[in-house]
Amino acid sequence: QKEVEQNSGPLSVPEGAIASLNCTYSDRGSQSFFWYRQYSGKSPELIMSIYSNGDKEDGRFTAQLNKASQYVSLLIRDSQPSDSATYLCAVNQGTDKLIFGTGTRLQVFP
Amino acid sequence: DVKVTQSSRYLVKRTGEKVFLECVQDMDHENMFWYRQDPGLGLRLIYFSYDVKMKEKGDIPEGYSVSREKKERFSLILESASTNQTSMYLCASSLKGTGVSTNEKLFFGSGTQLSVL
Repeated sequence: QKEVEQNSGPLSVPEGAIASLNCTYSDRGSQSFFWYRQYSGKSPELIMSIYSNGDKEDGRFTAQLNKASQYVSLLIRDSQPSDSATYLCAVNQGTDKLIFGTGTRLQVFP
Repeated sequence: DVKVTQSSRYLVKRTGEKVFLECVQDMDHENMFWYRQDPGLGLRLIYFSYDVKMKEKGDIPEGYSVSREKKERFSLILESASTNQTSMYLCASSLKGTGVSTNEKLFFGSGTQLSVL
C-alpha cells in the first residue's frame, strides 16, 4: 500500500464548477497535511496546509481533513482554466520529512 | 521572495560519469532537500539536511550522496551516473519549524532535467 494515494486523473471539470481532489494516507500518526500545485514544466508551490480535523478555507480553496478516515481533500470553487495543473498531496508523518502522493491532474475547460 | 536556484535546467551526461547538481537558497533556511520526480512515481526524497555538514537519507538514497559545507548550498552527487537516474531533480528549502511540524512550507527550485545516456 502506498503511503499517500491520489487518483492520477485527469479530472475534467467545466469552468465555474467545483473541483474535488482526494487523498488518502496510510500512517495514522500523520500530523500535517499539505496541498501543492504544480503547473506543467514548473515546480510545486504550496497552496494549502491543514493540521486539525475539519475544513480550512482560503479564498476559492477549501482543505478538508478527516483523521479517523485518513482522508484529506481539496475543493476548488468556481474553477478557472488557470487552475489546470497537477495537485500534489503531501503528508508529514512527524518524522521531519514530507511524503508526496503522485498527484492528480486537473483540467478545467471553458 | 525566497529564491532557490539550481545550477542547470537541463543536463546530459554519460553512464559512469560523476555528476554534481548544485542548489543555493538565499533566505537563510535551515532545511534543504533533494527530490526526484518521475512520471507515475511522484516526488521521492533522496536526501535532506537540517544543518551545515549534516545529512539524512531519504527514501531512495542509493547511488547518491550529498554535501552541505555552507548553510545556503546543498549539493547532490551521482557518484557513477546510470540510465535509471535519468529524472527531474528538484531541490527545496524550508525554515526549521516549531510545534507539530518541522517541515512547513517547502520552496522549490526550478528543477534540473538530467538525462543519462
